[in-house]
Amino acid sequence: GENVEQHPSTLSVQEGDSAVIKCTYSDSASNYFPWYKQELGKRPQLIIDIRSNVGEKKDQRIAVTLNKTAKHFSLHITETQPEDSAVYFCAAMGNTDKLIFGTGTRLQVFP
Amino acid sequence: GAGVSQSPRYKVAKRGQDVALRCDPISGHVSLFWYQQALGQGPEFLTYFQNEAQLDKSGLPSDRFFAERPEGSVSTLKIQRTQQEDSAVYLCASSFVRATEAFFGQGTRLTVV
Repeated sequence: GENVEQHPSTLSVQEGDSAVIKCTYSDSASNYFPWYKQELGKRPQLIIDIRSNVGEKKDQRIAVTLNKTAKHFSLHITETQPEDSAVYFCAAMGNTDKLIFGTGTRLQVFP
Repeated sequence: GAGVSQSPRYKVAKRGQDVALRCDPISGHVSLFWYQQALGQGPEFLTYFQNEAQLDKSGLPSDRFFAERPEGSVSTLKIQRTQQEDSAVYLCASSFVRATEAFFGQGTRLTVV
């Protein structure tokens, strides 16, 4: 079955710097890759997603890149702000419709 | 309501007790997922419904766990004879169709004592 690995588990950056989180997946049939942000005690919320027919997608300060050959995808946050501090999860969905999550990255942005 | 609603928000159960967790998805959403999230971990897949059909239950940890969605809307996750290792947040998510945004409920925090 699908397995999603996520790195790093924690990431600390200075406000204004960029943050990059990387994920790899095992199922070559996976075709949908969302990223979720979860603040302490709250529900996960989608911040951006990408489908397998594109290699990159951007939404203001957030971008996601996908390399289907290498089976990895990354989240890039530019000009980080303290309110970006949260846990970020990548996920992958294949033909089985199962959405499998990575183990999460705790991002801390210091003012 | 506008979002996915789960009840109860918190549940304390004595070991051996049966519990039932409810999920009200967004109206019209076909897909419904249940996840278990331990403290500091990512959501672990439990089961998936498409309308009333349970298409995948491979993540259910044991036969003490049972989920249903009889009319294709509200879903219930039942845990029989709860054990301490069942303590976690149980998250429900729904999406309009497959491979579209999954909206999460706020979860039910289950504590087994």
